[in-house]
Parts: sequence; C-alpha cells; structure tokens
Amino acid sequence: GAVVSQHPSRVICKSGTSVKIECRSLDFQATTMFWYRQFPKQSLMLMATSNEGSKATYEQGVEKDKFLINHASLTLSTLTVTSAHPEDSSFYICSASGGGYEQFFGPGTRLTVL
Amino acid sequence: QKEVEQDPGPLSVPEGAIVSLNCTYSNSAFQYFMWYRQYSRKGPELLMYTYSSGNKEDGRFTAQVDKSSKYISLFIRDSQPSDSATYLCAMRTTGGFKTIFGAGTRLFVKA
Repeated sequence: GAVVSQHPSRVICKSGTSVKIECRSLDFQATTMFWYRQFPKQSLMLMATSNEGSKATYEQGVEKDKFLINHASLTLSTLTVTSAHPEDSSFYICSASGGGYEQFFGPGTRLTVL
Repeated sequence: QKEVEQDPGPLSVPEGAIVSLNCTYSNSAFQYFMWYRQYSRKGPELLMYTYSSGNKEDGRFTAQVDKSSKYISLFIRDSQPSDSATYLCAMRTTGGFKTIFGAGTRLFVKA
C-alpha cells in the first residue's frame, strides 16, 4: 500500500509556542489530505480537509487561526498549531488520498504542551 | 443520532475465538465500507474494504455489509494476541469527500 509519513513523531513544547507537523505522501500524489485529532481511547476527529493549492476546509468548531493548514504540493501538507496550550496536547494524525475511496494514514504525532 | 454507531468495548476474548465486530449507520447513501485496524499510538491501517452489499473474505477476516439493515460486520477467525488493537469501521458515499468513522472497538485477545 501507499506510504504516508509524519514528522515529528513526538514533540514536547512550552505553552505559547507554535509547532509544525509535516505530512508527506512518499510514493503517490495526494490530491486530498486530511488532518485528524485523537484523544486517548477515542476515535478520530476530523479537523480539516485540504486539497493541493486550495484553502483547507475546517470542520465546525475547529479554529482556523489556531490550526493552520498548508497543502503546498501533491506530496506535502503541514499543520501548524499556533500559540499551543496544554489543552492542545493530543495525537494528531494525517491521511492522504489519491482520489479514490481509500485514505492512507500517517503514523501520527504526539504533541505534549507543558 | 450519530451517522455511524460502534460499541467502543473493550471486548476481551481468548486466543482462538471468533470475534464479531459491528457497526450500524443511518445514511442510506453510504456505498463504501471499510474496516481499519489501529494499534496503540499508531495510525490506522486499512484492513478490509467492501463496496455496496455483500461479503468479502481475506484470510482470517470476513467483512459483511447488510444495506437493508444498515449494518456491517467484521469477523476474525482463530483470533491471535497480535489481533489486539482498536478496530474502526468507516463509510463513505459515492463521490463523497469525507469518510465517516465509528468510535472504534478495542479488542483484547488473551493468550
């Protein structure tokens, strides 16, 4: 299957700083990328959907200015958590789709904000 | 009412048991039905995919879709401790952009 990588896998930062998470499709062109957030023992919560070269579409309740998404190329999307606070601590997972039904998930990034 | 309902469990079974995982849904327009497996602190991986109604078998795994009842199932035969994970059902409409996930069922297979 297709491979999606995420970097970093784990990040710890101080409150008030910004953190950037990268999501890359390694062996296919991702026309659409999705960003999810997952709390312990809970399911995936879709945060936003992004298409290459377009502005991301955010789900209701997700702050656009807080979670900046850039999908600059067909293989790279980034999520920047701005002015992070402890309540932003979570597991962030991206997925990528080449246009078909299937989404290929990255391994996730665990963010801890102190 | 959520579009997709899935019992979060946990479900604990002995090694070798047959496991049945289920989801119900409310949107009759769903046509693509997927099962993902997620190990702790990892991203989900696609396990099974079915289009419309019917059964699909892959090794020890069988996926079933009953559109008349809006009910899907995943069966795991001869379960192994390595099957211990969270299993998420997922659904999508034809032409739809968004995949809707169930809450995930945590499965523990005891040796």
